[in-house]
Amino acid sequence: RKEVEQDPGPFNVPEGATVAFNCTYSNSASQSFFWYRQDCRKEPKLLMSVYSSGNEDGRFTAQLNRASQYISLLIRDSKLSDSATYLCAVNIMNTGFQKLVFGTGTRLLVSP
Amino acid sequence: DAGVIQSPRHEVTEMGQEVTLRCKPISGHNSLFWYRQTMMRGLELLIYFNNNVPIDDSGMPEDRFSAKMPNASFSTLKIQPSEPRDSAVYFCASSPPWTGRNQPQHFGDGTRLSIL
Repeated sequence: RKEVEQDPGPFNVPEGATVAFNCTYSNSASQSFFWYRQDCRKEPKLLMSVYSSGNEDGRFTAQLNRASQYISLLIRDSKLSDSATYLCAVNIMNTGFQKLVFGTGTRLLVSP
Repeated sequence: DAGVIQSPRHEVTEMGQEVTLRCKPISGHNSLFWYRQTMMRGLELLIYFNNNVPIDDSGMPEDRFSAKMPNASFSTLKIQPSEPRDSAVYFCASSPPWTGRNQPQHFGDGTRLSIL
């Protein structure tokens, strides 16, 4: 089983729709979780951290389900500019040092 | 504030040549990571350093790849000899000291490498 898994998509949604992505992880000891956004031919950029109690940043909501070992990203009122690939990342401790493992990403296409 | 700085942005070279990629992490960050990204394999961690010391190089594909971090502000990833299958985008990322939670990594613009 991969350490971090995502549905590659693409998710095709119309403007204004609500869309959600999940990301499962295998290491139950993982402590830190993130969502990154990557535009075509660009570097991954941090979108938001994921906190245990869930957190929201504008139209974006991130949640963590430790029991089922997954994190989720909800985007409300999708904009054309939200079209990108969304990568989840999970920090695991390895011999006392942090190591970030990325999923392969979920591609989102928002159409007019 | 300056982010992670990578050079060159693009590199095209013939197979068999030595390739050196460079990275300057964000000042104050003590962890540095080298990644490779391809369509087929996604974003793969090659090696990471903590306080200039290599911690985990299990992702380095083979002996043709080597990485160094001689000081806190500079790292190199070298491929010698290069092969066409090394063509990919190579990212460098850095992160601040661990505080017990949520230390995200910040990526450079990447080096787009093409081996002919």
